[in-house]
Amino acid sequence: GQQLNQSPQSMFIQEGEDVSMNCTSSSIFNTWLWYKQEPGEGPVLLIALYKAGELTSNGRLTAQFGITRKDSFLNISASIPSDVGIYFCAGQPSGAGSYQLTFGKGTKLSVIP
Amino acid sequence: DVKVTQSSRYLVKRTGEKVFLECVQDMDHENMFWYRQDPGLGLRLIYFSYDVKMKEKGDIPEGYSVSREKKERFSLILESASTNQTSMYLCASKDRGPYNEQFFGPGTRLTVL
Repeated sequence: GQQLNQSPQSMFIQEGEDVSMNCTSSSIFNTWLWYKQEPGEGPVLLIALYKAGELTSNGRLTAQFGITRKDSFLNISASIPSDVGIYFCAGQPSGAGSYQLTFGKGTKLSVIP
Repeated sequence: DVKVTQSSRYLVKRTGEKVFLECVQDMDHENMFWYRQDPGLGLRLIYFSYDVKMKEKGDIPEGYSVSREKKERFSLILESASTNQTSMYLCASKDRGPYNEQFFGPGTRLTVL
């Protein structure tokens, strides 16, 4: 099946720094979603992207749908301790039903105060 | 806001027991999903339902069954629990239509002894 490569697997950053993570695929995707999961909780949707080139912000978070439709990135500006968690990308492969999502394995973010 | 609730946050069961995991959503969503989440493997789809009494197998349906008697409720059943079914189980829901945003519950961490 489709696979998403998410990188980096983990990050340790100082509070106040900016963060960047990305997802790539060898196949075209129609949708990119970014989720955050805190320990012991379910994933929470952060940003949804539906058009190639689309750039969307949600507070300090910005995500972009790559022009080739094979990648997406998520930036977090001026990180704070509550940004700690695992960030997942998810995408709907081209040609797949609207219910189908492929998930990346996550980027674990640690913020050092 | 979409609210997805799961009946238990933590469950401990013995090998061979029948286990029921319940999920309820309050947004009149057509589609509901059950995933399991394991370290290193990410989220894997077990079953989904696109309407009452309708279900489709996901990527790893073996050892599981589901029931959807009412639109708002989707149950996952482990007919005879085994230790390799120890995992985090996540329920999600999605509205009808082309948008792929799935909304997750808080998860049930199941341990099978």
